[in-house]
Amino acid sequence: EIVMTQSPATLSVSPGERATLSCRASQSVSSNLAWYQQKPGQAPRLLIYGASTRATGIPARFSGSGSGTEFTLTISSLQSEDFAVYYCQQYNNWYTFGQGTKLEIK
Amino acid sequence: EVQLVESGGGLVQPGGSLRLSCAASGFTFSSYEMNWVRQAPGKGLEWVSYISSSGSTIYYADSVKGRFTISRDNAKNSLYLQMNSLRAEDTAVYYCARVGATANDAFDIWGQGTMVTVSS
Repeated sequence: EIVMTQSPATLSVSPGERATLSCRASQSVSSNLAWYQQKPGQAPRLLIYGASTRATGIPARFSGSGSGTEFTLTISSLQSEDFAVYYCQQYNNWYTFGQGTKLEIK
Repeated sequence: EVQLVESGGGLVQPGGSLRLSCAASGFTFSSYEMNWVRQAPGKGLEWVSYISSSGSTIYYADSVKGRFTISRDNAKNSLYLQMNSLRAEDTAVYYCARVGATANDAFDIWGQGTMVTVSS
């Protein structure tokens, strides 16, 4: 099983600032990596697939990068609605999720 | 509107059974691969099971293999999860999720989830 490790567990950032979230795979997943956003009481929402492609309707302030085992989600200028939990997911060898990064207001 | 709506959750005793349903609308259900994903209270996401568009290919997470059965009825635009021999650790919100044909196999549409509580 491919283990996905996200860091940090919690990230405190002020609105308007940049947030950088990391995800590491225990073995290469090529570019088969997605990022999801989840707000309390809601289902996850797809943000990024293929490591760097924004899903339909996702604002340009969200960007993804990386390949192989190291991936990054960057939110360029945080809006109030961006404070949530973010999960990475590999789908190169079935599916596994990271444990999540909680993005909170500083 | 593209939509997935789960139902069938509830309170069940350990060792009991429950059948979850996921009703799809707004897209050609029979063309899409589907999954069940669960989330224990306060925890992260865990993939549970996959089914191909025709239903001919099925996979399970080790944690549910032999106890859960995924199925679909394309004529009824519905996905199912039969859960037997339930344990306390199966307590979670269960989501159905579509594999996006244009999303490189990521899960592009999710239902709102249905809560399953296993407790005596």
